[in-house]
Amino acid sequence: NAGVTQTPKFRILKIGQSMTLQCTQDMNHNYMYWYRQDPGMGLKLIYYSVGAGITDKGEVPNGYNVSRSTTEDFPLRLELAAPSQTSVYFCASSSLSGTPEDAFFGQGTRLTVV
Amino acid sequence: AQSVTQLGSHVSVSEGALVLLRCNYSSSVPPYLFWYVQYPNQGLQLLLKYTSAATLVKGINGFEAEFKKSETSFHLTKPSAHMSDAAEYFCAVSTGFQKLVFGTGTRLLVSP
Repeated sequence: NAGVTQTPKFRILKIGQSMTLQCTQDMNHNYMYWYRQDPGMGLKLIYYSVGAGITDKGEVPNGYNVSRSTTEDFPLRLELAAPSQTSVYFCASSSLSGTPEDAFFGQGTRLTVV
Repeated sequence: AQSVTQLGSHVSVSEGALVLLRCNYSSSVPPYLFWYVQYPNQGLQLLLKYTSAATLVKGINGFEAEFKKSETSFHLTKPSAHMSDAAEYFCAVSTGFQKLVFGTGTRLLVSP
């Protein structure tokens, strides 16, 4: 039972480069989330999805894009990387009948933009 | 808007001592409150949650928290710290529609 899987675990990007952070879950959860965690700060919601084909902005969406073509996958796209996007990114999922606190979290992707 | 404030970015205790991690909330509606733990290089794990039932909530690993409306607090406690409790702890409030707002976290250090 893999749960929520994020790839890659670590990445260094140069300013202006683009990349996609992958997230997949095998629990058939409807809800999926992307958070970022900056040093000394709590997690902040970037985007979330309530099901395939439906996404919405969270608290800090600028500089990011998402898509949800399948229930399992919820990739996060950075188009023009900036140093301010240096952070640890967490993907999470929860079931339709669950509540956000019952979300399962991935192990995170540590991104550094130089 | 709902928010939580965690007092103290670091808390140090000795093994066997009481653990007290503080969290105060701000909410215009009855809140749902949560405590999460994050071990190094891991995702977040739910410790316990308050959803308007009993005000004293028991969680995993011997932790508990008490909801005090008069003090707008939801402090996390454990009677006796173990070395394995060393981690970062986050308080969070639900803003509805499956979204959480997190505090800035408290790192718990446990010394032998």
